[in-house]
Amino acid sequence: GAVVSQHPSRVICKSGTSVKIECRSLDFQATTMFWYRQFPKKSLMLMATSNEGSKATYEQGVEKDKFLINHASLTLSTLTVTSAHPEDSSFYICSAAISGRMPDTQYFGPGTRLTVL
Amino acid sequence: LAKTTQPISMDSYEGQEVNITCSHNNIATNDYITWYQQFPSQGPRFIIQGYKTKVTNEVASLFIPADRKSSTLSLPRVSLSDTAVYYCLVGYSSYKLIFGSGTRLLVRP
Repeated sequence: GAVVSQHPSRVICKSGTSVKIECRSLDFQATTMFWYRQFPKKSLMLMATSNEGSKATYEQGVEKDKFLINHASLTLSTLTVTSAHPEDSSFYICSAAISGRMPDTQYFGPGTRLTVL
Repeated sequence: LAKTTQPISMDSYEGQEVNITCSHNNIATNDYITWYQQFPSQGPRFIIQGYKTKVTNEVASLFIPADRKSSTLSLPRVSLSDTAVYYCLVGYSSYKLIFGSGTRLLVRP
């Protein structure tokens, strides 16, 4: 149980294009999902907290107009990197917390490797 | 948010028991302690979670003293496949988790 999937697992795009990454909780409902970014040999950096049916809360320094987050249902959150540039190349990871269970442990997806040419 | 401090790296040999200690001096009353394992180019994998005393599952044990200002992850009889980065996190109730640098464990033959 508590499986989180991400799609795609890796994507290569040209500079200036937009890329959408999906995060799904496969066997549980998640009121809250989180998006992280990780650079090589570095730790995970929280980008935003996404609550179903409401606007995401972004961490300081994360551009909300560049990283669009939509949490339309209790099992799906999407991150869209708009007008991607090479500096956006990174490993993007989502996590989901099980609704209604205490403690509400976060379970992580396998990550999406984004390469912007 | 409770800040955590862990050793940056540890070395061990196959078959040994590995104990990784995490310091979290300003842990809040409602905070749980959770440990994750991460391999390169993969998302973190949940290992174990606890609030106080001792928790054991099929892969690890978690020891938490009464003051809860630290915790120790114990991996019995490690193998080469346990080489990974281990993160200790403290938090509560779907609140955001802040990852520290983690501990890079290298298991040698």
